[in-house]
Amino acid sequence: AQSVTQLGSHVSVSEGALVLLRCNYSSSVPPYLFWYVQYPNQGLQLLLKYTTGATLVKGINGFEAEFKKSETSFHLTKPSAHMSDAAEYFCAVRADNYGQNFVFGPGTRLSVLP
Amino acid sequence: DAGITQSPRHKVTETGTPVTLRCHQTENHRYMYWYRQDPGHGLRLIHYSYGVKDTDKGEVSDGYSVSRSKTEDFLLTLESATSSQTSVYFCAISDGTNYEQYFGPGTRLTVT
Repeated sequence: AQSVTQLGSHVSVSEGALVLLRCNYSSSVPPYLFWYVQYPNQGLQLLLKYTTGATLVKGINGFEAEFKKSETSFHLTKPSAHMSDAAEYFCAVRADNYGQNFVFGPGTRLSVLP
Repeated sequence: DAGITQSPRHKVTETGTPVTLRCHQTENHRYMYWYRQDPGHGLRLIHYSYGVKDTDKGEVSDGYSVSRSKTEDFLLTLESATSSQTSVYFCAISDGTNYEQYFGPGTRLTVT
């Protein structure tokens, strides 16, 4: 079965510092990988996704992630954190090879310090 | 924003009572999902639907049932609510072409 681990349930960075949120997955099928963001008291919204093609994918709000098959990783980065980036971030992987279901990681809460 | 609404947004109920949560979409998307969100667990799939009257179980389906009689509505029923079902419930939709899910605003359910 597919699974997702996110190292660090809570990450704090200073405003302007690099953001790095880690995601590792276990998948028996070619992975389709996603990052979602959840702002307080809201639903999730898609930041970026990898399905096929270029392994470095760019998303909204300056975030990007790189698919590294050898490391089974899909870490999320942003060069310079902004106060508005404070939120919870979820990594997800497609659950199987034919369906439209997904497995989510436990989430990482990002705090941005002034 | 995708047109997804959930009702009610907040509910407090007593153990043993049935509860129905509603998800309504205006996007005509084929797939609809119910998740629950609990600290440390991320989102876990309860049930999903791949068309009208077509539903299947997810990872944590025990104690829950669903129905989809129209494309736009997906109902989640807790047959006899328990305290372990206290959670935030999210509905999501997908058109099935690009693997992107769009989420509703959530329903916070407290079972006392």
